[in-house]
Amino acid sequence: GESVGLHLPTLSVQEGDNSIINCAYSNSASDYFIWYKQESGKGPQFIIDIRSNMDKRQGQRVTVLLNKTVKHLSLQIAATQPGDSAVYFCAEVPYGNKLVFGAGTILRVKS
Amino acid sequence: DGGITQSPKYLFRKEGQNVTLSCEQNLNHDAMYWYRQDPGQGLRLIYYSHIVNDFQKGDIAEGYSVSREKKESFPLTVTSAQKNPTAFYLCASSVTGRGNTEAFFGQGTRLTVV
Repeated sequence: GESVGLHLPTLSVQEGDNSIINCAYSNSASDYFIWYKQESGKGPQFIIDIRSNMDKRQGQRVTVLLNKTVKHLSLQIAATQPGDSAVYFCAEVPYGNKLVFGAGTILRVKS
Repeated sequence: DGGITQSPKYLFRKEGQNVTLSCEQNLNHDAMYWYRQDPGQGLRLIYYSHIVNDFQKGDIAEGYSVSREKKESFPLTVTSAQKNPTAFYLCASSVTGRGNTEAFFGQGTRLTVV
């Protein structure tokens, strides 16, 4: 559903710690998932994606985990840095359809 | 450089006026999208187009209009019928409309009604 009227949850982590950002998706037919990072005043940037035939994918300092049984997606950021502070969105793609964005999570990194 | 360009970055509109936001991409992408973002909130889909000369309403299309006369261009008009137009507008494109590839975003246009 829409995120109208909702304010984004915030995750605060200490610099150097690992961050885990969670996302619950809605459509069991979704077969492609993307994590985006949005810095203040800018457009979202692609971080990492995963297809439904996988349950884990790793990038540089980031890992995405997919649990199709409970329709849950997570983004793990290793050794979080101040530059990681941003809003993080997950997006799901029901097969053959358009992107559907989650509400987003604010990540604040404390130095 | 290939990419997606939105202009202007900041736009001010008087109440009752229509205003058009530009979105151009040179990525040869078939699909283009417009989203609205309000402070502290997520992205809401306004309109999308999977092919030239065709577009579909998203979740919040009322008060907006679009055209897709060229593959590389997808302008959004915010009409006077949009009662609360002040927001951050984001344009995106993807290779296909089948949604199996990532969407690339522009840097956004911040519209303020004065």
